[in-house]
Amino acid sequence: QKEVEQNSGPLSVPEGAIASLNCTYSDRGSQSFFWYRQYSGKSPELIMFIYSNGDKEDGRFTAQLNKASQYVSLLIRDSQPSDSATYLCAVRSSSASKIIFGSGTRLSIRP
Amino acid sequence: DTGVSQNPRHKITKRGQNVTFRCDPISEHNRLYWYRQTLGQGPEFLTYFQNEAQLEKSRLLSDRFSAERPKGSFSTLEIQRTEQGDSAMYLCASSLARGSMNTEAFFGQGTRLTVV
Repeated sequence: QKEVEQNSGPLSVPEGAIASLNCTYSDRGSQSFFWYRQYSGKSPELIMFIYSNGDKEDGRFTAQLNKASQYVSLLIRDSQPSDSATYLCAVRSSSASKIIFGSGTRLSIRP
Repeated sequence: DTGVSQNPRHKITKRGQNVTFRCDPISEHNRLYWYRQTLGQGPEFLTYFQNEAQLEKSRLLSDRFSAERPKGSFSTLEIQRTEQGDSAMYLCASSLARGSMNTEAFFGQGTRLTVV
């Protein structure tokens, strides 16, 4: 079992709709959760982080965490063509540990 | 620019040669990470440092790979006797860890290695 799992996609969403990206992790001791966006040929860019159960909103982005289910999600409202990218879920088990990434989900926003 | 800086941005080398990459983290960040990424995959953890101490090294990393952070600031990643399978994007990231607090990690622009 991979430590961090994501559906590779591609996920195709019409412009203006909500894109929903999901991630599961295997280590119940995980404490910090991150979403990075990566455009083709570029390095990952942090867009959201969440540490507590529940929702965290930042502009059009909402991160959701459910530690009991070991599940993290990212919602993108009012999707724009510029949101087309690969979204990487990342998990840190404790403050003293490395950050592990999933393989990413390719998101395509169609006009 | 006070972000994470990596040099060189691109490196083409012949199989069997040694290469060295440099990473300068965000100035106040004491934690530094190295990752490798190939096409269609997420970043794969290689190693990380807190200050000058190398805290963990991936079991996937062969003895040809070595990383240093001698003064707790910049870091170097060396690959000896490069192989074609080493062709990848090498990413560096940094964060600030203090007690139980550890901030999110920010990435540099990466070094793309091509072994021919």
